[in-house]
Amino acid sequence: SQTIHQWPATLVQPVGSPLSLECTVEGTSNPNLYWYRQAAGRGLQLLFYSVGIGQISSEVPQNLSASRPQDRQFILSSKKLLLSDSGFYLCAWDSSGNTIYFGEGSWLTVV
Amino acid sequence: AQSVTQLGSHVSVSEGALVLLRCNYSSSVPPYLFWYVQYPNQGLQLLLKYTTGATLVKGINGFEAEFKKSETSFHLTKPSAHMSDAAEYFCAVSNQAGTALIFGKGTTLSVSS
Repeated sequence: SQTIHQWPATLVQPVGSPLSLECTVEGTSNPNLYWYRQAAGRGLQLLFYSVGIGQISSEVPQNLSASRPQDRQFILSSKKLLLSDSGFYLCAWDSSGNTIYFGEGSWLTVV
Repeated sequence: AQSVTQLGSHVSVSEGALVLLRCNYSSSVPPYLFWYVQYPNQGLQLLLKYTTGATLVKGINGFEAEFKKSETSFHLTKPSAHMSDAAEYFCAVSNQAGTALIFGKGTTLSVSS
């Protein structure tokens, strides 16, 4: 069966520090991969999606970037965090079935 | 472009009462529609989905939703609420090409005894 792992689960970072959130999927090949952010009272916002290695589409211009160095690995990064980057970040994947499956999420607090 | 509107950011019901969470969508192509549930501090879990075929879709935990094209709606219902149903619920839409889901802003369901 397919599984998705996301880490770290919780992160407290100072303003201006870098960020790296990692996500891996097991049990499937060539998945579509996604990063969503959930901020309080604002629902789920799609940040990035990837249909293949090295192929990244950005939905929202911002302080963040994403990379897909391997087929089942998706990384969310920032060089300098802002207070507004705080939120709950969710990695997700799907294949051809149009059903997206989510990881457990990562809480980021920028202080 | 596609969009989703969830009517009511908070819904409160008593245990045993009917649950109705409203979702309306906008799509220029036949939509795929989803309901996800999120328990506190956890990721999202798929409740049910509509792609094609039968418009009444049954999901996990006794939930169901009906796709009504004429009303552009996909409301989520459960005949009898349990305390364990308290969570945040998200409606989402995608197109048949399978690009990323567009989510509503969510509805928080509270269940009182």
